[in-house]
Amino acid sequence: GQNIDQPTEMTATEGAIVQINCTYQTSGFNGLFWYQQHAGEAPTFLSYNVLDGLEEKGRFSSFLSRSKGYSYLLLKELQMKDSASYLCAVIGNAGNMLTFGGGTRLMVKP
Amino acid sequence: ETGVTQTPRHLVMGMTNKKSLKCEQHLGHNAMYWYKQSAKKPLELMFVYNFKEQTENNSVPSRFSPECPNSSHLFLHLHTLQPEDSALYLCASSQGLAGYYEQYFGPGTRLTVT
Repeated sequence: GQNIDQPTEMTATEGAIVQINCTYQTSGFNGLFWYQQHAGEAPTFLSYNVLDGLEEKGRFSSFLSRSKGYSYLLLKELQMKDSASYLCAVIGNAGNMLTFGGGTRLMVKP
Repeated sequence: ETGVTQTPRHLVMGMTNKKSLKCEQHLGHNAMYWYKQSAKKPLELMFVYNFKEQTENNSVPSRFSPECPNSSHLFLHLHTLQPEDSALYLCASSQGLAGYYEQYFGPGTRLTVT
């Protein structure tokens, strides 16, 4: 089976750094995605990791450790507009199927 | 705008009604997906189509019937639904199958079954 865990909610301050963790136990592994979803809107792609290490893209970075079944999304210089849900999703052996975690709702406060 | 449109945006239907959700992508993608997003539950994949052929059915009840007439259009036909089917239904597309390509999501149809 597939099991993906993320914290349900996090709160951080504008201008700060926040790390959102994701752990997974899946039948095989073919990649991990992070998506951002603002309330009432569609999810939008943030990052994709298939090899171990850190992928940096502007203020957002994503890290993967396949041996530990672990990823994190790092958001720097937080802005109010970063308040959203962040969804971790994994491709297992069934390469067509993306399995999502429950999402982490991030609230950025002034 | 992600290049994926969905209609209607909101739908209220009774348990005996038949309705259809429509999705259209303007990105030239080959794969399309239906997802269900319920409150306090993870986003759940329902169906996958690649080049108009269904490649995955994630154990979805038969009261949900997908149709993909071409690579740009995807429908979800609904009949005799239950109140627990009330959710946000999201359509997505990708250049190829999900394992290697990011997915672009539509805005969703908010479905309420009464």
